[in-house]
Amino acid sequence: AQRVTQPEKLLSVFKGAPVELKCNYSYSGSPELFWYVQYSRQRLQLLLRHISRESIKGFTADLNKGETSFHLKKPFAQEEDSAMYYCALESSGDKLTFGTGTRLAVRP
Amino acid sequence: DADVTQTPRNRITKTGKRIMLECSQTKGHDRMYWYRQDPGLGLRLIYYSFDVKDINKGEISDGYSVSRQAQAKFSLSLESAIPNQTALYFCATSDTGSGGYTFGSGTRLTVV
Repeated sequence: AQRVTQPEKLLSVFKGAPVELKCNYSYSGSPELFWYVQYSRQRLQLLLRHISRESIKGFTADLNKGETSFHLKKPFAQEEDSAMYYCALESSGDKLTFGTGTRLAVRP
Repeated sequence: DADVTQTPRNRITKTGKRIMLECSQTKGHDRMYWYRQDPGLGLRLIYYSFDVKDINKGEISDGYSVSRQAQAKFSLSLESAIPNQTALYFCATSDTGSGGYTFGSGTRLTVV
């Protein structure tokens, strides 16, 4: 069965510091991975997907199949990045399995 | 205009009552999902539907039922609500094979 692990419930950094939100997965097939973000009082929204190899709002994430990881990174955190971040794995049939989420708090 | 609309936004109900949460979408997507979000547990899949005639159980379907009334509408029912069903419920849609979901704003349900 597929599983997504986000080991940190809370990550607190100062503005301008680098950020890395950890995500590990277990899945027997070829993984499709995503990061979703939920800002305060807003709906969950797609941040980026690994297949696009894109950078959104300065965030990037690289799929490492050897380490079964898909960590989210940003070199310089901004206060507006404070939010709840969910890593998600798409299994067969377009179903997403979500991790438990990491709350990122960026302090001024 | 919201692409995915959930009603009600908030609801308090008593143990044993039947309650329905509704979701409608203007995305034209075939696939619709119901998740619940609990602190420390993330989002867990309750039910999903890939078209009007297709309904599938997710990982935590016990105590819930769904109805796909049309491509645009997918309702979640709690036949006899219990306090541990207190949670934030999200509806989501996706286009076939896209993998990216569009979420509604959520329904905060409290069972007392």
